[in-house]
Amino acid sequence: KQEVTQIPAALSVPEGENLVLNCSFTDSAIYNLQWFRQDPGKGLTSLLLIQSSQREQTSGRLNASLDKSSGRSTLYIAASQPGDSATYLCAVPNTGNQFYFGTGTSLTVIP
Amino acid sequence: NAGVMQNPRHLVRRRGQEARLRCSPMKGHSHVYWYRQLPEEGLKFMVYLQKENIIDESGMPKERFSAEFPKEGPSILRIQQVVRGDSAAYFCASSLADSPLHFGNGTRLTVT
Repeated sequence: KQEVTQIPAALSVPEGENLVLNCSFTDSAIYNLQWFRQDPGKGLTSLLLIQSSQREQTSGRLNASLDKSSGRSTLYIAASQPGDSATYLCAVPNTGNQFYFGTGTSLTVIP
Repeated sequence: NAGVMQNPRHLVRRRGQEARLRCSPMKGHSHVYWYRQLPEEGLKFMVYLQKENIIDESGMPKERFSAEFPKEGPSILRIQQVVRGDSAAYFCASSLADSPLHFGNGTRLTVT
């Protein structure tokens, strides 16, 4: 069974810093990996989807990388802003399209 | 182009009552997923449905829980005889095949 781990569980940084969130998974036979953000009391917003054949995806200040062989993905956030404060989740699907989620990294960007 | 719509946003039920949670997927999406998020825990998969079919219900409790996605109308997650441990946020997501998941804002169920 796929297990997804995210480190750190919580992170607090001053505004303007670049930061890296980590996601690891135990079964490297994945189709894709998706990063989400969740604001308190809200649903999940899709940030980036990386197909298994890709090594990275970029959207604005966000860059996600994928290393299937080592079972790792990172989400890089450049020039962090207070509005980036949220919980960031990574998820990988199994062959049946069931997604396994990590427990997330709670990010606080201090103005 | 409306996103995934879930209602109600908040639902309060007394122990023993039934809870019905509704989810309208994004237009054109035929894959629907239900997830449960308990306080301080991650999202746990419950069930994956396509129109009129349950594809994977491996995350669904064997008793009291059921889900459907009829040919017409929203997907319904039904919890019979609710207990306090059912209190959680229930999220619905939809997608096309091999495309990103799009989530609704969830239904927060409180069992008193």
